[in-house]
Amino acid sequence: AQSVTQPDIHITVSEGASLELRCNYSYGATPYLFWYVQSPGQGLQLLLKYFSGDTLVQGIKGFEAEFKRSQSSFNLRKPSVHWSDAAEYFCAVGESRKGSTLGRLYFGRGTQLTVWP
Amino acid sequence: EPEVTQTPSHQVTQMGQEVILRCVPISNHLYFYWYRQILGQKVEFLVSFYNNEISEKSEIFDDQFSVERPDGSNFTLKIRSTKLEDSAMYFCASSEVPADRAPEAFFGQGTRLTVV
Repeated sequence: AQSVTQPDIHITVSEGASLELRCNYSYGATPYLFWYVQSPGQGLQLLLKYFSGDTLVQGIKGFEAEFKRSQSSFNLRKPSVHWSDAAEYFCAVGESRKGSTLGRLYFGRGTQLTVWP
Repeated sequence: EPEVTQTPSHQVTQMGQEVILRCVPISNHLYFYWYRQILGQKVEFLVSFYNNEISEKSEIFDDQFSVERPDGSNFTLKIRSTKLEDSAMYFCASSEVPADRAPEAFFGQGTRLTVV
């Protein structure tokens, strides 16, 4: 069965520091991979996604993620964190169903990011 | 920018009562989903819905749950007889069948359900 592991429950970084949030997945084929962000009182906002092609994907708000098949990983990075990036980050795996449609998503537990001024 | 909207944002209900959570997906989307997140736990898939029928459901989605698209715009989740353990944030999502780009799910802001 598909599963997603986010090993870090809580990460604290200083504003301006670099950030890497880890995500490992278990899936038999090449998955669809996503990172979502949830700010307090808000819904899940898509940061970026990987479906195929270039393994380094760029997202919104200056985030990027790299798909590494050999490590079953899809880590999220940002070179310089801003205080507004404080939120909870979720990695998710999806699978293609019936051609190009999106099936169910499997989420990790989330990583809470705290940013120190 | 089009978005998925959910109402209400917060609902408190007594155990055993029926609740209906409402969602308006993005208008040209064809696939609809409900997920839930119990406090401190993972976001979990409940059900997907396409062409007016359930296409997939998880083991969580038992006979107490039902979904409906009553009028072509709303997508509802009904819990017939709520239990304390149904307390969670419920997210609605929708996605389209793309002609030329990769699919993604757009999520609403969630409805926090508290069963007392």
